[in-house]
Amino acid sequence: DSGVTQTPKHLITATGQRVTLRCSPRSGDLSVYWYQQSLDQGLQFLIQYYNGEERAKGNILERFSAQQFPDLHSELNLSSLELGDSALYFCASSPGQGVDQPQHFGDGTRLSIL
Amino acid sequence: AQKITQTQPGMFVQEKEAVTLDCTYDTSDPSYGLFWYKQPSSGEMIFLIYQGSYDQQNATEGRYSLNFQKARKSANLVISASQLGDSAMYFCAMRERGGATNKLIFGTGTLLAVQP
Repeated sequence: DSGVTQTPKHLITATGQRVTLRCSPRSGDLSVYWYQQSLDQGLQFLIQYYNGEERAKGNILERFSAQQFPDLHSELNLSSLELGDSALYFCASSPGQGVDQPQHFGDGTRLSIL
Repeated sequence: AQKITQTQPGMFVQEKEAVTLDCTYDTSDPSYGLFWYKQPSSGEMIFLIYQGSYDQQNATEGRYSLNFQKARKSANLVISASQLGDSAMYFCAMRERGGATNKLIFGTGTLLAVQP
């Protein structure tokens, strides 16, 4: 158990819909990262938050947005969903931003677009 | 640009034998961290081991060790005494200190199958 909690574990929805993925980081961790894992793209960094503030963006589509709340949990919002958005979405957390700090991953949310 | 290369798409190993999973990396940053993660078929990502660019000794964590050759820019994972539960996808990843983000850059992974 990594200590990172992601809900829901599975989501099945249709094209054009909007979903929200939730993440609770490990106790004490201030940094939250979102990654997308798909067969064709592999593991891709989406966005990072540190103590409530956005710190970095990766290959995140404009249809996607995220935020980190004062209690440090984070949500990833995906809208106008397309078939290609089907993927495993991971949240990870680390205490800070040090290069020597491992990112611990949640179990992921498997999103299927029908 | 930073890059991680894992050239072995899949590997077989006999139970109780050792196996080495290859990873090479490319970076111009003198300060970086290298990580290995395990992803079983159930999908979760499990952190295994970390090696810092300035570490003088190879990292070890139980049956996992990292063969770090800085001049060759390689960070191979060695699993000793393989167990059936080691069957999984293994990812090598890197993080740069001077990068604009703290993201992990992942390789494409190696699928390890442990045979009884």
